[in-house]
Amino acid sequence: AQRVTQPEKLLSVFKGAPVELKCNYSYSGSPELFWYVQYSRQRLQLLLRHISRESIKGFTADLNKGETSFHLKKPFAQEEDSAMYYCALGSRLTFGTGTRLTIIP
Amino acid sequence: NAGVTQTPKFQVLKTGQSMTLQCAQDMNHNSMYWYRQDPGMGLRLIYYSASEGTTDKGEVPNGYNVSRLNKREFSLRLESAAPSQTSVYFCASSEVGGSSNEQFFGPGTRLTVL
Repeated sequence: AQRVTQPEKLLSVFKGAPVELKCNYSYSGSPELFWYVQYSRQRLQLLLRHISRESIKGFTADLNKGETSFHLKKPFAQEEDSAMYYCALGSRLTFGTGTRLTIIP
Repeated sequence: NAGVTQTPKFQVLKTGQSMTLQCAQDMNHNSMYWYRQDPGMGLRLIYYSASEGTTDKGEVPNGYNVSRLNKREFSLRLESAAPSQTSVYFCASSEVGGSSNEQFFGPGTRLTVL
């Protein structure tokens, strides 16, 4: 069975500091991984997908098959990054439990 | 384009009552999904429809039925609501069900079963 683990429910980071949101997965085969974000009073939306190897809003995520991880990183946090972040796996999306990121001014 | 729309936004039911949650998308997407979101559990897939005329069970289908009425609409029905079905329900759609396809989410329906 596939599973996604986000160990941190809450994460607070000062503005300008680096951010890392952890995601580990369990899946036999080649994983398809995503980060979705939900800003306050907005809909859940795609932030990035590993297959694109893109950087969105300064965030990047590298798939590490050896560690079965897909951590989300940003070198310098901004206040507008405060949101709920979900790591997700597969075409029909198995979600992690989410991490609420708060950026402290 | 409205994207994915859901009705109602809020609903309170008594145990045993039935109701249907409506979802529609105007992006001409083939695949549609229903998820529920519970505190500390993330989103879990209830049912999905890979294309018009097909539906399949997800991770937590018990107590629910779905209908893919046409390409645009995908409804979720609770025949006999239970307090355990108190949750926020999200509908989503994607162009196809493949891994590279982004899912677009609706605003959610907050359901309380007393």
